[in-house]
Amino acid sequence: SQQGEEDPQALSIQEGENATMNCSYKTSINNLQWYRQNSGRGLVHLILIRSNEREKHSGRLRVTLDTSKKSSSLLITASRAADTASYFCATDGVSGNTPLVFGKGTRLSVIA
Amino acid sequence: GAVVSQHPSWVICKSGTSVKIECRSLDFQATTMFWYRQFPKQSLMLMATSNEGSKATYEQGVEKDKFLINHASLTLSTLTVTSAHPEDSSFYICSARAPRGNTGYTFGSGTRLTVV
Repeated sequence: SQQGEEDPQALSIQEGENATMNCSYKTSINNLQWYRQNSGRGLVHLILIRSNEREKHSGRLRVTLDTSKKSSSLLITASRAADTASYFCATDGVSGNTPLVFGKGTRLSVIA
Repeated sequence: GAVVSQHPSWVICKSGTSVKIECRSLDFQATTMFWYRQFPKQSLMLMATSNEGSKATYEQGVEKDKFLINHASLTLSTLTVTSAHPEDSSFYICSARAPRGNTGYTFGSGTRLTVV
């Protein structure tokens, strides 16, 4: 099962621009995580934000979480061609030992 | 720490044959593993939850007789795709709860299955 939608489904930007991806979810969460996946490859964990946090930064990444709206956003600043990948949000539910539930993802293309 | 090793990374098989995918937790015990499937340009969909020493729990729409899951030890879970067909071609990836680390989960590197 999937939590909900991510938008946009695909995003194409020029190198140096910022990229914003949004994620919505349906159930109560313990935390929300963002992952990157290069084509045909495994997942790379980017950042985790807990349900009691509203914003978190890591390098060029900025994540926000609004639990009242059940939504999160991932901002990549000063994008690079190497940022081209698919980005997924994943929610960790409040019940123990449950799997991560992934959003549908955003395919980001950064054009040099 | 908390590494899950998944093999093979890719496999090509003929229709009608079976393929086994292994996931091993290398430095921790994984009482539970999760198996996902990902079709091209789509997201990861949970297939089943594998519990050591008991039957797996399958998500709705996933055929348990086709996707056999065995979790016989605390460090090994296997997914066998039986009588594979071209529509089973997909990327399969396992995940386990990590005992430490701030993500709480660790993922295998995935297996790309192509059925010809």
